[in-house]
Amino acid sequence: GESVGLHLPTLSVQEGDNSIINCAYSNSASDYFIWYKQESGKGPQFIIDIRSNMDKRQGQRVTVLLNKTVKHLSLQIAATQPGDSAVYFCAEGNTDKLIFGTGTRLQVFP
Amino acid sequence: DAGITQSPRHKVTETGTPVTLRCHQTENHRYMYWYRQDPGHGLRLIHYSYGVKDTDKGEVSDGYSVSRSKTEDFLLTLESATSSQTSVYFCAISGTGVHEQYFGPGTRLTVT
Repeated sequence: GESVGLHLPTLSVQEGDNSIINCAYSNSASDYFIWYKQESGKGPQFIIDIRSNMDKRQGQRVTVLLNKTVKHLSLQIAATQPGDSAVYFCAEGNTDKLIFGTGTRLQVFP
Repeated sequence: DAGITQSPRHKVTETGTPVTLRCHQTENHRYMYWYRQDPGHGLRLIHYSYGVKDTDKGEVSDGYSVSRSKTEDFLLTLESATSSQTSVYFCAISGTGVHEQYFGPGTRLTVT
């Protein structure tokens, strides 16, 4: 069946460093790939998305890379800040529905 | 933040009782979703709606029903609550479907 997973459950980085969060997906027919951020006690917040016909997309301090050959998705956060501490989820989908991964916790140390 | 509210925010109920959770939006978005979030499982889709009175099942729909009689409200009903339905429930909305869903603050449900 379809599945979305993450390589690392917890990632610890020093403030100011770059962070890279990885995700593996299994459904080669997925058209959308999305990253969400969830802070403690809150609902997930949309960060950035990428469509299957792209391999890179940049936002404010974030970059998403899509490698369809190995079914791999990554989120890069530049100059990581304490406010970036959260759980990050990748998700994949087509048309109406998304399938979410189990999440990676990002911890930022001063 | 997108105009999404969920009620109640917290609820404790007993096994076997029916429970209804409400999601209300002020964005006039077409799509509405109900997810549950459990440790180790991430977010799993229960049901979703793609228009008034148009709903479909997600991956964990057993024991749940939904209704959408108007654009702004999407109700999730646990027909007979069980302890396995103890979870945090999130509602999400989207104007375009799978792309860019906005989530509500969540409802923490405990079934004793």
